[in-house]
Amino acid sequence: EIVLTQSPGTLSLSPGETATLSCRASQRVSSSYLAWYQQKPGQAPRLLISGASSRATGIPDRFSGSGSGTDFTLTISRMEPEDFAVYYCQQYGSSPPLFTFGPGTKVDIK
Amino acid sequence: QVQLQESGPGLVKTSETLSLTCAVSGFSISSGYYWGWTRQSPWKGLEWIGSIYHSGGAYYNPSLKSRVTMSADTSKNQFSLKLTSVTAADTAVFYCVRSAGSGSPFDSWGQGTLVTVSS
Repeated sequence: EIVLTQSPGTLSLSPGETATLSCRASQRVSSSYLAWYQQKPGQAPRLLISGASSRATGIPDRFSGSGSGTDFTLTISRMEPEDFAVYYCQQYGSSPPLFTFGPGTKVDIK
Repeated sequence: QVQLQESGPGLVKTSETLSLTCAVSGFSISSGYYWGWTRQSPWKGLEWIGSIYHSGGAYYNPSLKSRVTMSADTSKNQFSLKLTSVTAADTAVFYCVRSAGSGSPFDSWGQGTLVTVSS
């Protein structure tokens, strides 16, 4: 089973700054089957990025994903007030189907 | 636009069976996609439980496989989860989710329902 580690655990930023979030896998993530989600208090997670770098429908272009193999990054440029939330990475293997999540990174207001 | 809505008891007794249903609107589950369950707790974070195809094929998290059964009712456009022999460690917010396939992320989520396991 692939274990995902996210860093930092908490990131304190001011609006307008850039957030850089890391997700590291214990084994290679095949075909870049790596997704990022945003979760706000009391809400379900929302898909932001799939395939390591493809934005989901309706996601602003200030969100970008990169990486391959075992190291992936979510970058949020010019943080908006609504971007302060918890972010999770997820790997979705296909053979057999198996979905695992990282522990999350909380981005809060400095 | 697809919408998913969980329903079921909010309180389940220890050692009993947790049963939840997810009603889908705006999309026919017979049209394809995988329909699944994920839970979230402070001690385990987000944990995928399993996913089912409309025709009945199912994939479960190996760590829960012995206690999980999922099924789909295409006539009601809904799918269900049963988790047996629950303990306090199964207390969590349960979400129903949709994915385009086994190699796809969860593109739609229900709002979630809190299930507490207590004696």
